[in-house]
Amino acid sequence: GAVVSQHPSRVICKSGTSVKIECRSLDFQATTMFWYRQFPKQSLMLMATSNEGSKATYEQGVEKDKFLINHASLTLSTLTVTSAHPEDSSFYICSARGGPGEDSSTDTQYFGPGTRLTVL
Amino acid sequence: GQNIDQPTEMTATEGAIVQINCTYQTSGFNGLFWYQQHAGEAPTFLSYNVLDGLEEKGRFSSFLSRSKGYSYLLLKELQMKDSASYLCAVRGRWNQGGKLIFGQGTELSVKP
Repeated sequence: GAVVSQHPSRVICKSGTSVKIECRSLDFQATTMFWYRQFPKQSLMLMATSNEGSKATYEQGVEKDKFLINHASLTLSTLTVTSAHPEDSSFYICSARGGPGEDSSTDTQYFGPGTRLTVL
Repeated sequence: GQNIDQPTEMTATEGAIVQINCTYQTSGFNGLFWYQQHAGEAPTFLSYNVLDGLEEKGRFSSFLSRSKGYSYLLLKELQMKDSASYLCAVRGRWNQGGKLIFGQGTELSVKP
């Protein structure tokens, strides 16, 4: 299957600072990337959808000025958590999907390994 | 609205068979996915159904009935390493972004 990498895998920061998380599709071109967050023992909640070269579409209740998403190329998307607070501590997971037929007949979303963010 | 239901927890014995059910009510349907997620890790793709019927893939099979809004994941010859959370996800229409909506996940414990 396709490979998606995410960096960093774990980050600890002080309250009020900003943190950038990178998501890369390593062996296919991802026309669409998704950002999720997951709290302990809960399911994945979609935060936003980003298409290469255009503005991200945010889900209801997600602050676009706080969670900045940039999808500058077909292999890279970044999520920046601005002015992080302890309640932003979570597991952030990206996934990438190629265009129809790009990576497989199922057009599956492939997930990165996740980033554990802890805000002190 | 969107609603995807799965049992919260299940327990099974090593070597046995377990069936994890998923029911869904969504405004659009463009395929149903099953993912496996170990604690602290990202989900890994297990199976995909878009047409009614059974898809078999080694020890894992997935079934879909679109008219009933129902799917199940069948795991055979259970191994200890199968202890994980199993996520059912429905994909929405392409013209709505083709987003995956996840159920809350079923935590499966495999015991010796």
